Amino acid sequence: AQKITQTQPGMFVQEKEAVTLDCTYDTSDPSYGLFWYKQPSSGEMIFLIYQGSYDQQNATEGRYSLNFQKARKSANLVISASQLGDSAMYFCAMRGVNTGGFKTIFGAGTRLFVKA
Amino acid sequence: DTEVTQTPKHLVMGMTNKKSLKCEQHMGHRAMYWYKQKAKKPPELMFVYSYEKLSINESVPSRFSPECPNSSLLNLHLHALQPEDSALYLCASSQVGTGELDSPLHFGNGTRLTVT
Repeated sequence: AQKITQTQPGMFVQEKEAVTLDCTYDTSDPSYGLFWYKQPSSGEMIFLIYQGSYDQQNATEGRYSLNFQKARKSANLVISASQLGDSAMYFCAMRGVNTGGFKTIFGAGTRLFVKA
Repeated sequence: DTEVTQTPKHLVMGMTNKKSLKCEQHMGHRAMYWYKQKAKKPPELMFVYSYEKLSINESVPSRFSPECPNSSLLNLHLHALQPEDSALYLCASSQVGTGELDSPLHFGNGTRLTVT
């Protein structure tokens, strides 16, 4: 079975500082993908970044980077130079090959608050 | 602007009503999804369509009836709902295939459903 764990219900960060959102996962799939999504209060889920299980390099997308440690089964999201607009709910998610690639499971989420 | 559009944005219905949620995407994706999200919880998968055929039904009660008329459209027909069905209903699309683990979900803005 697959499982995503996000242990930080809420996080505060000062504007312009970096913040790390934690994510650990468990899976028996030989191949899988890890995702981070952002959900503002408006409700839309926005894809941020992807990391494949066989990728050697950590993924980066602008101010977002993914700290992937396969042996520890962790895929932490790092947001650099936080902005007020980064205040939102952040979900770590995973999709595995054994579920046909269709089932994306989500962690419980972390609410990020950016302070001015 | 989201490339997956959902209508209506808000819906209030009684327990004896019949209503439909609509979703449209023009990204050329051949997989479409319905998710249900309760407040402060992660999205939960309901249905997956692949090439207009129902691929996954996550044991959803029959009062929810999905329909995929063509590759761009996805409907969710609602009948005899219960107050506990009140939630945000999210539509998403993605590329298809077990090889496309890196294809993220593209979500619409959701429909906020209230059952009275």
